[in-house]
Amino acid sequence: DAKTTQPTSMDCAEGRAANLPCNHSTISGNEYVYWYRQIHSQGPQYIIHGLKNNETNEMASLIITEDRKSSTLILPHATLRDTAVYYCIVRVGVSDKLIFGTGTRLQVFP
Amino acid sequence: GAVVSQHPSWVICKSGTSVKIECRSLDFQATTMFWYRQFPKQSLMLMATSNEGSKATYEQGVEKDKFLINHASLTLSTLTVTSAHPEDSSFYICSASPGLNSGNTIYFGEGSWLTVV
Repeated sequence: DAKTTQPTSMDCAEGRAANLPCNHSTISGNEYVYWYRQIHSQGPQYIIHGLKNNETNEMASLIITEDRKSSTLILPHATLRDTAVYYCIVRVGVSDKLIFGTGTRLQVFP
Repeated sequence: GAVVSQHPSWVICKSGTSVKIECRSLDFQATTMFWYRQFPKQSLMLMATSNEGSKATYEQGVEKDKFLINHASLTLSTLTVTSAHPEDSSFYICSASPGLNSGNTIYFGEGSWLTVV
């Protein structure tokens, strides 16, 4: 399974963009990159996913490098409610099994 | 959008008893669901794959007789913690998705807190 590497923690000022990096250097051509976040004592919340192209939805943007070995999740205007642990996960094939790493703890401050 | 729901949200049980946690897909059918466990300040750990109409597939180190999984319908999977002990106290989370293709969204339930006293 492709593994991911994320910084343990990051800080971001409220209203600024939060850029969360993820390395997945062993990713294969058919493996998607998924991002979830987990707010304390809740189940993981889906944010976004992508294969090759950059993706954007109402929550965030996902930028995937051309070689697909890394990606960045962008929260364009962070709010205090975005404080959470963010997980970058590489999904293997058609299985819905997701293997979680340690994630990045994002702290948004006023 | 698609929703996965768990019940109960929290439960307290006595040592030696069994407790059942339900995972439902509310507006889609799921042939497979997944069960995770999360201890405080740790990441989610995959426990098992719940397969509709067949036996569950357990990850290495997870006792199948301890954590009984039943996936009797396309919208319901249950996890039963048998003969619970305090060390089984944890946050249990399930996931499911509407279809088997490599680009579909996978949804998680709200989680169920189990405290064994």
